[in-house]
Amino acid sequence: NAGVTQTPKFQVLKTGQSMTLQCAQDMNHNSMYWYRQDPGMGLRLIYYSASEGTTDKGEVPNGYNVSRLNKREFSLRLESAAPSQTSVYFCASSKTTGYSNQPQHFGDGTRLSIL
Amino acid sequence: DQQVKQNSPSLSVQEGRISILNCDYTNSMFDYFLWYKKYPAEGPTFLISISSIKDKNEDGRFTVFLNKSAKHLSLHIVPSQPGDSAVYFCASNAGKSTFGDGTTLTVKP
Repeated sequence: NAGVTQTPKFQVLKTGQSMTLQCAQDMNHNSMYWYRQDPGMGLRLIYYSASEGTTDKGEVPNGYNVSRLNKREFSLRLESAAPSQTSVYFCASSKTTGYSNQPQHFGDGTRLSIL
Repeated sequence: DQQVKQNSPSLSVQEGRISILNCDYTNSMFDYFLWYKKYPAEGPTFLISISSIKDKNEDGRFTVFLNKSAKHLSLHIVPSQPGDSAVYFCASNAGKSTFGDGTTLTVKP
């Protein structure tokens, strides 16, 4: 069972470069999320997609764009990377968003360093 | 303004004893609370949840207590085992999830 798969696992970029983080889930979940985790901090929501065809900003969306390519895939793009975006990025999925007890299922993260 | 707070960054307990991890929240509209566990170099995994209409939920060694009047929840692990050493996040599900900053639990053999 793959669950949530993120690629790449590690990446080093130079300031100003662009890149796309990929995420795919095989659980037929409707909702998908992108978080970043900085040292000593919790997970901060960047963007989420409640269902295929919709995306919404989270807590820290500046400097990022997302695409919900289909029900399975949700990508995160950094158009012009900055050192402040050095972080660990987690993708997650859940059956639904909303007021529910549906847990999120997480990938193992992408460790991104921007020099 | 952080709506879910875990005020203890770390906790160390002896194997076999009880671990108590705490979480406070500010939004009375939160309907569900969830606890996640995270090992290094892995993503968080769901551990246990509780509905706001309950005050306790138990799953094996893990019990979550909810005190709505105090806007406080706690996770009890009894007995603690070295394999429980991890970072624990509490989260609320209200529209979208809001996570605390986590508590690093170390269980010493």
